[in-house]
Amino acid sequence: SQELEQSPQSLIVQEGKNLTINCTSSKTLYGLYWYKQKYGEGLIFLMMLQKGGEEKSHEKITAKLDEKKQQSSLHITASQPSHAGIYLCGADINSGNTGKLIFGQGTTLQVKP
Amino acid sequence: SAVISQKPSRDICQRGTSLTIQCQVDSQVTMMFWYRQQPGQSLTLIATANQGSEATYESGFVIDKFPISRPNLTFSTLTVSNMSPEDSSIYLCSAAGQGIPQETQYFGPGTRLLVL
Repeated sequence: SQELEQSPQSLIVQEGKNLTINCTSSKTLYGLYWYKQKYGEGLIFLMMLQKGGEEKSHEKITAKLDEKKQQSSLHITASQPSHAGIYLCGADINSGNTGKLIFGQGTTLQVKP
Repeated sequence: SAVISQKPSRDICQRGTSLTIQCQVDSQVTMMFWYRQQPGQSLTLIATANQGSEATYESGFVIDKFPISRPNLTFSTLTVSNMSPEDSSIYLCSAAGQGIPQETQYFGPGTRLLVL
């Protein structure tokens, strides 16, 4: 079974709409990373959350980690075609900042102009 | 932000051969990792590349198949040995720690490998 579940698997939204991607685990997440990947390319680092209840924002993207540190959400406000891509959550489920990440299956986002 | 480069960016190889992938970081880093992304799948950690000592492999990955070197704090190589079509994947290296902003793990652009 997948240790890190992402939902939805894919998403098509109209430009200007808001959207949310979720990442859930049954284990404590000691570090939760959000990345964006364009097809066939490397991962672009977006944000990292570590503390329960933490929230970070960058431009129109906001990420939150719940108090129990088992669920994170990524919210995009007023989506644009440039937001299209695959969003991946990765997490360190080992205490001690090992840097060894497991990843969710990814969410493919399409933004229609 | 740190820049991570990988060589080659892509390759097509015959089964039974080996390919060595290089990963270069433009600053000294504490941790370097190698991941595999099989077609249509997410990333799976292969191993942690340890500077000056043997790599630490995750379950399902062995040194004979994926030998790794890390001679210094900025460079690592991953060899995919005795390749089969099942090894066709994107291989990515990542780096974290000293030299990279705290609470960040950066990835290289990946090496796309096709084994015939």
